[in-house]
Amino acid sequence: AQSVSQHNHHVILSEAASLELGCNYSYGGTVNLFWYVQYPGQHLQLLLKYFSGDPLVKGIKGFEAEFIKSKFSFNLRKPSVQWSDTAEYFCAVNAFGNEKLTFGTGTRLTIIP
Amino acid sequence: EAEVAQSPRYKITEKSQAVAFWCDPISGHATLYWYRQILGQGPELLVQFQDESVVDDSQLPKDRFSAERLKGVDSTLKIQPAELGDSAMYLCASSPEQGGYEQYFGPGTRLTVT
Repeated sequence: AQSVSQHNHHVILSEAASLELGCNYSYGGTVNLFWYVQYPGQHLQLLLKYFSGDPLVKGIKGFEAEFIKSKFSFNLRKPSVQWSDTAEYFCAVNAFGNEKLTFGTGTRLTIIP
Repeated sequence: EAEVAQSPRYKITEKSQAVAFWCDPISGHATLYWYRQILGQGPELLVQFQDESVVDDSQLPKDRFSAERLKGVDSTLKIQPAELGDSAMYLCASSPEQGGYEQYFGPGTRLTVT
């Protein structure tokens, strides 16, 4: 069974700082990878996804993530964060051909104006 | 923009009572999921439907939880009897025909068991 680790539980940054949130997964086969975001008071929404091809994927609101297969990682990045990026971020994975999503425990991001 | 609807948004119930949650997926989405999210953790899949059929309910505590999607559209998740440990957010998600992979989430139902 697959598992997902997000080591940063709470990250606090000032506006304009660069962001990198870690995500590592455990699964030996082909995977699809996702980052979901939950803004305060809102539902989970997809930020970006990787199925195949270019390992550097770009999502909404200036976010990007890089899939490094050798490290089983899919870290989320943004060069300059804004106060509106304050939210909880979840990394998720499913095995190719299996829709069951396994989520990490989430990283709470707080941006200080 | 089409969204997944859930009701109620909040529910407070006493231990040993029955409680039910409702989900209406995005129109045309064949696959429907119920997740439970305990505070401080990520969502955990409880049950997955493909149309009206259960595809995966391996993590559903079947002694007290039940789920149905009778006409392959909306779905109900029931807990009877509720226990204190059931306090959590219950999320519904849907996705297009099997193989679509991207899941769209509803706002969730926050359950508090007292």
